Amino acid sequence: QQQVRQSPQSLTVWEGETAILNCSYEDSTFNYFPWYQQFPGEGPALLISIRSVSDKKEDGRFTIFFNKREKKLSLHITDSQPGDSATYFCAASALNTGNYKYVFGAGTRLKVIA
Amino acid sequence: DPKIIQKPKYLVAVTGSEKILICEQYLGHNAMYWYRQSAKKPLEFMFSYSYQKLMDNQTASSRFQPQSSKKNHLDLQITALKPDDSATYFCASSHYRGQYFGPGTRLTVL
Repeated sequence: QQQVRQSPQSLTVWEGETAILNCSYEDSTFNYFPWYQQFPGEGPALLISIRSVSDKKEDGRFTIFFNKREKKLSLHITDSQPGDSATYFCAASALNTGNYKYVFGAGTRLKVIA
Repeated sequence: DPKIIQKPKYLVAVTGSEKILICEQYLGHNAMYWYRQSAKKPLEFMFSYSYQKLMDNQTASSRFQPQSSKKNHLDLQITALKPDDSATYFCASSHYRGQYFGPGTRLTVL
């Protein structure tokens, strides 16, 4: 059962463009959505996160847009840089419910061409 | 300084053997986790612990046994290793601000 879905599977953009990575979920109890960035040979690194009480979270060039009604969110990377080339994972969790499980999507592999 | 330490970084084992993957975190978190990543399943949740107690187990096989000797330790014992167990195993810990991952142990079973 795949509770968190990501699209596209891979994405190529030019340097300076905005990359848009999509994520959707099924479980309405999820209330916390972190995004992770992973480079080859390294562990996933927490990039930015949003709670379900918000519809937008911004941190520099990274912005999460969240639509609770549609159970969808997206990560926008503006002014994409070659150094942003990595795999991005969307995750979901139901914090403060006694459930410690995080569910991860399959990831989007981003390539930024200079 | 690394906040989550995993040992060893690389591990090669023969089919049928037993190995222990080590994880220590120095972030002061009470919750710890194990994940597995392979080409077949990008990031698969295995276990979660809180205050050294098992909270969630999504691993079907009893060959995988987490061990928590201290609050900031969560080791993973794997018995009767199979080639399908080949993957990178990540330890993670969390608090209210998020979940943080270690660098991983890459296990190869021959």
